[in-house]
Amino acid sequence: QVQLVESGGGVVQPGGSLRLSCAASGFTFSNFGMHWVRQAPGKGLEWVAFTQFDGINKYYSVSVRGRFTISRDNSKNTLYLQMNSLRTEDTAVYYCAKSGKSEWDLSDYWGQGTPVTVSS
Amino acid sequence: DIQMTQSPSSLSASVGDRVTITCRASQSISRHLSWYQQKPGKAPKLLISAASNLQSGVPSRFSGSGSGTDFSLTISSLQPEDFATYYCLQSYSTPPITFGQGTRLDIK
Repeated sequence: QVQLVESGGGVVQPGGSLRLSCAASGFTFSNFGMHWVRQAPGKGLEWVAFTQFDGINKYYSVSVRGRFTISRDNSKNTLYLQMNSLRTEDTAVYYCAKSGKSEWDLSDYWGQGTPVTVSS
Repeated sequence: DIQMTQSPSSLSASVGDRVTITCRASQSISRHLSWYQQKPGKAPKLLISAASNLQSGVPSRFSGSGSGTDFSLTISSLQPEDFATYYCLQSYSTPPITFGQGTRLDIK
């Protein structure tokens, strides 16, 4: 069965960095695009970034562009989100999600989320 | 970017009620609209894709309709497990994909 397991979240000071990982199993990872979506405490869902199946084309929300980098290692079935220059407003639970039928669709396969807290 | 506006933002209803949540896009998105259900502390669950396609395993009391700019999610007879927050999501004009702000469905 499809599984996505995030890790790497934690508490970091403003201006700091974190790298999130999402370990995938149960499907051919290298065939699918992957997304990161976040949810600030008590708030709604916000799309963060997307990488196509081969990791060549990557897209970001305006709020993270230039600070966050999405990447993937298809040999390790793992998706990453490198987060630099973190701000308090980046505090959220971060989810990885598998693309659906179309690469820009989100499927029903999401990780459990990893919390990131940016605070001094 | 396409803006997605859900209404209402919150809703109180009773078990057995029929409930409709609407989602309006700031421009036409054809039928590239999905609905998600989220319970506290859990990842969102996909209910409906392409405006009206019920996902496998989702109870038939859930239905979706609409095209263009106006969409709706209807729960025909609320069950206790349906009390949650619901989000619409457009994937027509990308990037970005954009969510509605959510509709919190509470027990009356």
